[in-house]
This record gives sequence, structure tokens and C-alpha cells, in this order.
Amino acid sequence: RKEVEQDPGPFNVPEGATVAFNCTYSNSASQSFFWYRQDCRKEPKLLMSVYSSGNEDGRFTAQLNRASQYISLLIRDSKLSDSATYLCVVNRGGSQGNLIFGKGTKLSVKP
Amino acid sequence: GAVVSQHPSRVICKSGTSVKIECRSLDFQATTMFWYRQFPKKSLMLMATSNEGSKATYEQGVEKDKFLINHASLTLSTLTVTSAHPEDSSFYICSAKDRTGGNEQFFGPGTRLTVL
Repeated sequence: RKEVEQDPGPFNVPEGATVAFNCTYSNSASQSFFWYRQDCRKEPKLLMSVYSSGNEDGRFTAQLNRASQYISLLIRDSKLSDSATYLCVVNRGGSQGNLIFGKGTKLSVKP
Repeated sequence: GAVVSQHPSRVICKSGTSVKIECRSLDFQATTMFWYRQFPKKSLMLMATSNEGSKATYEQGVEKDKFLINHASLTLSTLTVTSAHPEDSSFYICSAKDRTGGNEQFFGPGTRLTVL
């Protein structure tokens, strides 16, 4: 089983749509969880951390279910500028804090 | 905010040559830096963890003699791809953690290596 698995993409949605991405991770020792955004041929940029209580940042809502080892990202009122690849990222655990990246889910928001 | 730079941003070289990539934390000190590789349409793969003043820790399957890592100061780590071959062509990205704490890794803009 891969350490981090994500929904296969691509997601093609119209502007204004709500879209949800799912992710599962295999290492129960993982303590930190993130969603990153990566634009084509660019470095990944942190979108938001994910907390057990769930957290929201504007149109973005992240949820974590430790029992199911499941992470989600919800984007409301999609904008054209949201088009990117969304990476589910999990800390491997341990002192080094190595990050393990999912393969990413590509989102394309159309006018 | 925390800024990480990489140099060069793009390099094209002949097979058999060695290429050095620099990763610098510009406004913070990083005891730990990470090197990743990303092939087209693939996820970022951690290659190694670079610790200031000590040997790097390599991920399984990554040849330490081929990918030489040096982290001689709190703001600089270098990755040298020795005797590069076309299959080493990839996007190499570094990240750094601020020594003052926190889990966030700050990513450099990446280096695109093409080996002819």
C-alpha cells in the first residue's frame, strides 16, 4: 500500500462549483498533515495544514479523520485561479519530520 | 515570510558531467534541508534529508555516491549529481525547516535538469 494515496484526477469543474478531494495515508504514526498546491512546472506551495478538529480558510475546508487515516479538502465556489494540482502531504513521523507526498490530483476549473 | 532559493533554475548538460545544485535559506537558518525529485506527471519523491554538519540520510533506492549532499552551513545545502545520465533528467526541489521550530517546510523554486 502506498504511503499516501489520492483520488485519481483530473477533476474538470465549472466556475462556482464545489469540489472535494480525498486522501488516505498508511502510517498511523504520522502527526502532521497538509494540503499543498502545485502549479505546472513550479514548486509546491503550502495551502493549509490539516487539524483533527477540521479547519477552514476562506473557501477551503480541510478535514482529518485519524481513525480512518483519511484527509479531505473541500473547495467551494471554485475560481479559475484554483486550477492546479493539489497534493496531499503527510509527515512520516519521527524527529526528522520527513514529508511524504501523494501523487496529486489535478483540478481544472473552466469558465 | 521564509524564502528558499535554488541555483541554477535550469541546467542542460552532457551525459557524464557532474552538476551541482545549491539550496539556500535566505532569511532563516535551517538545520535540516530536504532534497526531492519529481519526474513528469509523478509525485515528489524524497531523495535525502540533509542535516547541517553531519552526513545526509538517503531514502531507500537513492545512491549516495551518485547524489552527493553537503550541508556545510545553516543556510546552504548542495546536491551534486555525479556522472549525470539522461535518466537523471528531472525536476529537483529542495526544502528547508526553520531551526526555530515548526513543522512547515519551505520549498525552493526547483531546478530543472536535462541531461543530453
